Amino acid sequence: NAGVTQTPKFQVLKTGQSMTLQCAQDMNHNSMYWYRQDPGMGLRLIYYSASEGTTDKGEVPNGYNVSRLNKREFSLRLESAAPSQTSVYFCASSHSIRKRTDTQYFGPGTRLTVL
Amino acid sequence: AQRVTQPEKLLSVFKGAPVELKCNYSYSGSPELFWYVQYSRQRLQLLLRHISRESIKGFTADLNKGETSFHLKKPFAQEEDSAMYYCALWADGQNFVFGPGTRLSVLP
Repeated sequence: NAGVTQTPKFQVLKTGQSMTLQCAQDMNHNSMYWYRQDPGMGLRLIYYSASEGTTDKGEVPNGYNVSRLNKREFSLRLESAAPSQTSVYFCASSHSIRKRTDTQYFGPGTRLTVL
Repeated sequence: AQRVTQPEKLLSVFKGAPVELKCNYSYSGSPELFWYVQYSRQRLQLLLRHISRESIKGFTADLNKGETSFHLKKPFAQEEDSAMYYCALWADGQNFVFGPGTRLSVLP
């Protein structure tokens, strides 16, 4: 039982390049999330998927797109990377965002640097 | 809009001393609050949630709706408590909002 897995662990991009961050969970969770973590700002929600087939914007969605490929997988795409997107990206999953006591389970993170 | 604030970026205490990590929130609905912790080289993980009224690793947190606070407390800090602590707010199934985090350093 791997929990939440993310690939890659590290990535360096040049401004304007594109890439996709992959996330998968094996806990049969309905809800999945993408966050970015920046110093002094904590975790900020980029996008989330409450259930398979749905996606919604979080606090900081600009410059990103997501795809809920199936119940297990939720990918985050940067179409044209910018230095402001340098951050650590975390994927998380939970049974259901609509459940008040829902616990989120986090992946190990992807450290992205955009030059 | 929902917001979570943690006024201290860094909190240093000596081993055996009491510790209190502050968390305040702004939310017009009925809040559900959590504390998440990230130990060095480990994943972010749930520490406790207010509805469970539980004590985990000696930590407790009480929701004070009048002061809109959810401070995390432990009477005697241990070195293994050193970590990054995040307060988080569940907002009516629409969103999860995390605070900026407080780094707790427990000195020997």
